[in-house]
Amino acid sequence: DGGITQSPKYLFRKEGQNVTLSCEQNLNHDAMYWYRQDPGQGLRLIYYSQIVNDFQKGDIAEGYSVSREKKESFPLTVTSAQKNPTAFYLCASSPLAGVRRDEQFFGPGTRLTVL
Amino acid sequence: RKEVEQDPGPFNVPEGATVAFNCTYSNSASQSFFWYRQDCRKEPKLLMSVYSSGNEDGRFTAQLNRASQYISLLIRDSKLSDSATYLCVFSGSGNTGKLIFGQGTTLQVKP
Repeated sequence: DGGITQSPKYLFRKEGQNVTLSCEQNLNHDAMYWYRQDPGQGLRLIYYSQIVNDFQKGDIAEGYSVSREKKESFPLTVTSAQKNPTAFYLCASSPLAGVRRDEQFFGPGTRLTVL
Repeated sequence: RKEVEQDPGPFNVPEGATVAFNCTYSNSASQSFFWYRQDCRKEPKLLMSVYSSGNEDGRFTAQLNRASQYISLLIRDSKLSDSATYLCVFSGSGNTGKLIFGQGTTLQVKP
């Protein structure tokens, strides 16, 4: 079955540590996205990538980093510079072509808690 | 004006009721419009795209009004399983694939 996977589902981090969240898709989508969702709020875009080896900052990129070495993979690193990293992190992908070019499909998310 | 405005609710309705949500957007260049559904502590899932001519999928009807810059979602014959948060979503400017998400409207269907 095609889809998007994220791991881990839950992650606990001590202050000052960097952590990396995994996102993999086998939908053959060109674009991938990382969002952050805080309780009672909408999704905010952290980073996105339209093509391998290229990515752009979203609205709240500070304290985060990404890479896109393979089409299928778009890992997100939450660095110690991120002041308030506790949140629900969602990865998504979209085809960027065809009539459904802008439809984004989401992975199940990772809940990060900083202790 | 905010990029997107949605009434957060909650909307509490009895089973079988008809309920409607509206959402306004500020970017007149947006080309794609969607409603997503998000269950508690889960990822958003695409409910339906919204087309200029309006579209229907079973009990759900979506409409777009470009002149007034809003989209709407109508749910008929509400089921308990419709209880969720409904996100209004539209595309940003250019060909980036970026989407703008509303904060969502919470629907609670009661027996």
